[in-house]
Amino acid sequence: AAGVIQSPRHLIKEKRETATLKCYPIPRHDTVYWYQQGPGQDPQFLISFYEKMQSDKGSIPDRFSAQQFSDYHSELNMSSLELGDSALYFCASSRGQLNTEAFFGQGTRLTVV
Amino acid sequence: SQQGEEDPQALSIQEGENATMNCSYKTSINNLQWYRQNSGRGLVHLILIRSNEREKHSGRLRVTLDTSKKSSSLLITASRAADTASYFCATVFSFNDYKLSFGAGTTVTVRA
Repeated sequence: AAGVIQSPRHLIKEKRETATLKCYPIPRHDTVYWYQQGPGQDPQFLISFYEKMQSDKGSIPDRFSAQQFSDYHSELNMSSLELGDSALYFCASSRGQLNTEAFFGQGTRLTVV
Repeated sequence: SQQGEEDPQALSIQEGENATMNCSYKTSINNLQWYRQNSGRGLVHLILIRSNEREKHSGRLRVTLDTSKKSSSLLITASRAADTASYFCATVFSFNDYKLSFGAGTTVTVRA
């Protein structure tokens, strides 16, 4: 069965650089969520989209932006990267708005040096 | 935080034993979901229990929900080494809440 695809799986960037993370949801899933997970931490909600519109926003820095495109894939853009941005970034998708289970991708491990 | 704590933070058991972990939350929920995460890997959905349900089963997993106490428990029966992972509960607070709010997780180690 198709799963949530994230790319790249690993990314190394220098401070002040920009990174773009991509997420391809499960087919027919209309909702995408982004989470950040630091080492030994629980996943922290960043932002979500439903039918290509932002539906909820969490603790996402102003340096980050995201969007969901017409084919439902989503991109998380991160600018002026800081050492503290180093984390696992997960994308999840669901059909409808979380009255059903969310399926997570394998994540993108971002390392800022 | 609207999400509470998971208890215990860490659990070490012998293969074949049962593992129980608890999750508490602070406000009313629409549903509660349990996830498993192997070290550095993605989160795998285990069970979703809705606010009007009290118990659900899936294979060796049993989840209970007590909305009066704002708590849930996950029981893994006859544990295996492959069950070694971190387990997270996550809540959806209302029909207009479009995110999962995660607890701190319980790290389970199953010894062979």
